[in-house]
Amino acid sequence: SAVISQKPSRDICQRGTSLTIQCQVDSQVTMMFWYRQQPGQSLTLIATANQGSEATYESGFVIDKFPISRPNLTFSTLTVSNMSPEDSSIYLCSVEHLANNEQFFGPGTRLTVL
Amino acid sequence: QQQVKQSPQSLIVQKGGISIINCAYENTAFDYFPWYQQFPGKGPALLIAIRPDVSEKKEGRFTISFNKSAKQFSLHIMDSQPGDSATYFCAASISYQGGKLIFGQGTELSVKP
Repeated sequence: SAVISQKPSRDICQRGTSLTIQCQVDSQVTMMFWYRQQPGQSLTLIATANQGSEATYESGFVIDKFPISRPNLTFSTLTVSNMSPEDSSIYLCSVEHLANNEQFFGPGTRLTVL
Repeated sequence: QQQVKQSPQSLIVQKGGISIINCAYENTAFDYFPWYQQFPGKGPALLIAIRPDVSEKKEGRFTISFNKSAKQFSLHIMDSQPGDSATYFCAASISYQGGKLIFGQGTELSVKP
């Protein structure tokens, strides 16, 4: 498995502001992902964070709202832009070991937008 | 076609009993089926996973049963303990699509002492 940390662990933000979430992995991994988990709901993939290139977004998610960076193989950021209360969710990063498809999740960032 | 349907939504089991959670899928291209356990305030933790070339996989008290023809798979927790009380998610992915997990809706398991 991999040790994954996220910062911040939680935050309360005002409508219209932006928050950048950091994800750090203790080993070099090829695949990194960002998921959203709305209150009491399941997980939905936002995008695949590609190292050195633009992220690949899933249907319903756009770069202007969720810009993602991945400058190297162990670090990625997700920004939630121009936030509204509907963005209140847990945001999770994950990494995958290509050898066996095992995917491990970070502890999540709990975001509340007022 | 990309959905994974999970049931039941919630489950109450007595200590020592068997917890059974079921998932069904439509997309026959799925070839990796993991189960995750999530405690409140924590990220999901990989519990056990199976591929379509086997019908059953057991790890300790946790067993996945897989029925390829029915496009269903289930998680069995034997000798359920109060510490197993958590939300469980099934998921599915297509290996060549680079690990995009499609999650079921989740099952909130409560094991009563």
